Amino acid sequence: SQQGEEDPQALSIQEGENATMNCSYKTSINNLQWYRQNSGRGLVHLILIRSNEREKHSGRLRVTLDTSKKSSSLLITASRAADTASYFCATDARDYKLSFGAGTTVTVRA
Amino acid sequence: NAGVTQTPKFQVLKTGQSMTLQCAQDMNHEYMSWYRQDPGMGLRLIHYSVGAGITDQGEVPNGYNVSRSTTEDFPLRLLSAAPSQTSVYFCASSYSSRDTEAFFGQGTRLTVV
Repeated sequence: SQQGEEDPQALSIQEGENATMNCSYKTSINNLQWYRQNSGRGLVHLILIRSNEREKHSGRLRVTLDTSKKSSSLLITASRAADTASYFCATDARDYKLSFGAGTTVTVRA
Repeated sequence: NAGVTQTPKFQVLKTGQSMTLQCAQDMNHEYMSWYRQDPGMGLRLIHYSVGAGITDQGEVPNGYNVSRSTTEDFPLRLLSAAPSQTSVYFCASSYSSRDTEAFFGQGTRLTVV
């Protein structure tokens, strides 16, 4: 069964606005990762946050992790049309298996 | 570096046919895996390998076989294709199974009729 679940399933925002999506998971993890998938393409790694970290930044991306609530959030600031994609969280639960959620589809309107 | 290369990109099979999806990586990664992606279900792990000669089952292994004779290659075999195996298949590799990012191929879109 899937470990992570993203919320919301879909998000539509205006260019320049911020986009926030959440991921909840069920078991203890080693790390949590976020990936982006453009339509018809493979997944691209965005950021990895370890279980002992609470926040991580990469460019316009900010990821938080709350292990007590088993949840993570991905914030994309100042969104651009090129950010239109599906975003997936993936959990590494110490069992050699990276488990993905169903994803959040983000549409950035010009 | 080409990264992770999957072939073919598209394939149509008849029910009962067999085929092999190819996956190759040129990054000397030890860990490789196969996922299938279906609408609304995200990616589900089919099989994975932590090194040459070592494979194990993921979440949805039935109907699929894998082998890992070299570090570079990790083919996925469909033994007797069924319409339920219509999906997009992704191969991924990473330096190790822990604390490292996964690199994905571009996917194989398979339709079983």
